[in-house]
Amino acid sequence: EADIYQTPRYLVIGTGKKITLECSQTMGHDKMYWYQQDPGMELHLIHYSYGVNSTEKGDLSSESTVSRIRTEHFPLTLESARPSHTSQYLCASSEERTPNTEAFFGQGTRLTVV
Amino acid sequence: AQKVTQAQTEISVVEKEDVTLDCVYETRDTTYYLFWYKQPPSGELVFLIRRNSFDEQNEISGRYSWNFQKSTSSFNFTITASQVVDSAVYFCALTSSGNTGKLIFGQGTTLQVKP
Repeated sequence: EADIYQTPRYLVIGTGKKITLECSQTMGHDKMYWYQQDPGMELHLIHYSYGVNSTEKGDLSSESTVSRIRTEHFPLTLESARPSHTSQYLCASSEERTPNTEAFFGQGTRLTVV
Repeated sequence: AQKVTQAQTEISVVEKEDVTLDCVYETRDTTYYLFWYKQPPSGELVFLIRRNSFDEQNEISGRYSWNFQKSTSSFNFTITASQVVDSAVYFCALTSSGNTGKLIFGQGTTLQVKP
């Protein structure tokens, strides 16, 4: 069973609020990722990190930002939430050393901005 | 550019039927990795299988089997004797970056297994 946790699971928030989605893993993985998934759609990579103090933007442009101060923690922040940010956000992690592994995913945060 | 296509948006079967989920991929890289993930209603993605481009052996795991054919760029997934608990969204994914978390996902196939 994967040891990667996301909080909150569900969040309903008003337009203009600042929000932070939390993601933590206890597997010691160097690589971590954030994916965005609109209802009934595929997942798109929005941010990834290869280790502490390393962050990169993914294939899908996003107004969110991320930080990686500790190996186990990879929070995602929206400075001013808008209804267009309504989506599911999934966090994942994988090992550094070999590609012959798989990414482990958290349960996701379903964000609704009203 | 890399691309994964799952042409079947939704499939509905009756319990105990066999069902095959199709996946076609595009990549110009010679080394790549293919994955299948299951997404139950709870939302998380559950890893099912990984296959690298050098290994064309088909694989069977219980009621699940996978058919990888490089000649047709396909990586199809078959569930034998489906069960209600198999109801979920299934995603096929691809990476060639050596980074197994940087995935290109297909659109997903929603499988509904009716009792």
